[in-house]
Amino acid sequence: AQSVTQPDIHITVSEGASLELRCNYSYGATPYLFWYVQSPGQGLQLLLKYFSGDTLVQGIKGFEAEFKRSQSSFNLRKPSVHWSDAAEYFCAVGVSGGYNKLIFGAGTRLAVHP
Amino acid sequence: DAGVIQSPRHEVTEMGQEVTLRCKPISGHNSLFWYRQTMMRGLELLIYFNNNVPIDDSGMPEDRFSAKMPNASFSTLKIQPSEPRDSAVYFCASSQGISNQPQHFGDGTRLSIL
Repeated sequence: AQSVTQPDIHITVSEGASLELRCNYSYGATPYLFWYVQSPGQGLQLLLKYFSGDTLVQGIKGFEAEFKRSQSSFNLRKPSVHWSDAAEYFCAVGVSGGYNKLIFGAGTRLAVHP
Repeated sequence: DAGVIQSPRHEVTEMGQEVTLRCKPISGHNSLFWYRQTMMRGLELLIYFNNNVPIDDSGMPEDRFSAKMPNASFSTLKIQPSEPRDSAVYFCASSQGISNQPQHFGDGTRLSIL
């Protein structure tokens, strides 16, 4: 069965520092992977998606993620974090033949220190 | 383009009352998902529809919960009778096609049952 693990429940970084949020998935075939961000009081917003091709994908707000099949990982990165990036981040894998059903990780809450 | 629209944004009611949450998906999207988010349990998929037909309702917690999608532009999630443990943020999301497309989320309904 498909599953997604986000090992870090909470991460704190300083503004301007680099960021990497980890995501590991379990899936038998080529996965379809997504990162979403949720700001307080709002719904989940799509940051980026990986379907196939180039394993480094660019998203909105300066984020990127790299798909590594050998490590079953899809880590999210940003070279320089802004205070407005403080939010909760969710990794998700698409269920094949599942009418776009997604399996979400538990989320990583990011705090940004000035 | 308008995103997924949910109403009401906030609902406070007493236990035992009927609660109806509403969702208008993005025009042209044919899959619709209802989620519940709490601190304790995170993001839970309750039910999803494709072409207005319920595909999987295994996430619906109990018979007090019901969902309908009478047409492509409207869905409801009803709780009757409501209980304090139903307090949560309920999200609706929609997507296009049947395979591996991202979901687009509404801003949610914050439900408080007193």
